[in-house]
Amino acid sequence: SQKIEQNSEALNIQEGKTATLTCNYTNYSPAYLQWYRQDPGRGPVFLLLIRENEKEKRKERLKVTFDTTLKQSLFHITASQPADSATYLCALDGGYSTLTFGKGTMLLVSP
Amino acid sequence: GAGVSQSPRYKVAKRGQDVALRCDPISGHVSLFWYQQALGQGPEFLTYFQNEAQLDKSGLPSDRFFAERPEGSVSTLKIQRTQQEDSAVYLCASSLIRDTGANVLTFGAGSRLTVL
Repeated sequence: SQKIEQNSEALNIQEGKTATLTCNYTNYSPAYLQWYRQDPGRGPVFLLLIRENEKEKRKERLKVTFDTTLKQSLFHITASQPADSATYLCALDGGYSTLTFGKGTMLLVSP
Repeated sequence: GAGVSQSPRYKVAKRGQDVALRCDPISGHVSLFWYQQALGQGPEFLTYFQNEAQLDKSGLPSDRFFAERPEGSVSTLKIQRTQQEDSAVYLCASSLIRDTGANVLTFGAGSRLTVL
């Protein structure tokens, strides 16, 4: 069955630095890979999606890469701010189907 | 409404009680999903509706779990004879599947169930 892995430990960085989160998957070839942000007590909020034939996608301070050979996506937040502190979830999207989520990585940005 | 609305936000049940969780999706979203999220884990798929049709219920953990969406809008997730392992946040999401096939979900805030 498909398996999706994200850094299990929290990532602590200083304000202004670039945060990089990793998502690896096996036994699947998703049509898309999506990233969501989840704050405590709230539901996940969609951030970005990238297609299987795209290498990189950007939105403001966010950048996502997708390597279908390595079966890996990297999620970058540049010039990080304390308000970026949250849990970030990656999700596999087979297209016209349900999403499979990873466990998420908690990001803590210190002032 | 403007977003996905779930109720109740918090529910405490004694073991063996039945519970019902409600989801009111975004108007016009034909697809509706239920996910279960345990503490420190990612959302786990439970079931999926397209309009009133339940197209996938493969994630429901046991026959104590039942979901319905009779008129293709509001959905209810029912858990019978609750057990302690049912304690989790139950997330509802709705979506418009884009022409490209990408399925972007809009989630509600969730219903936190605690079974004592």
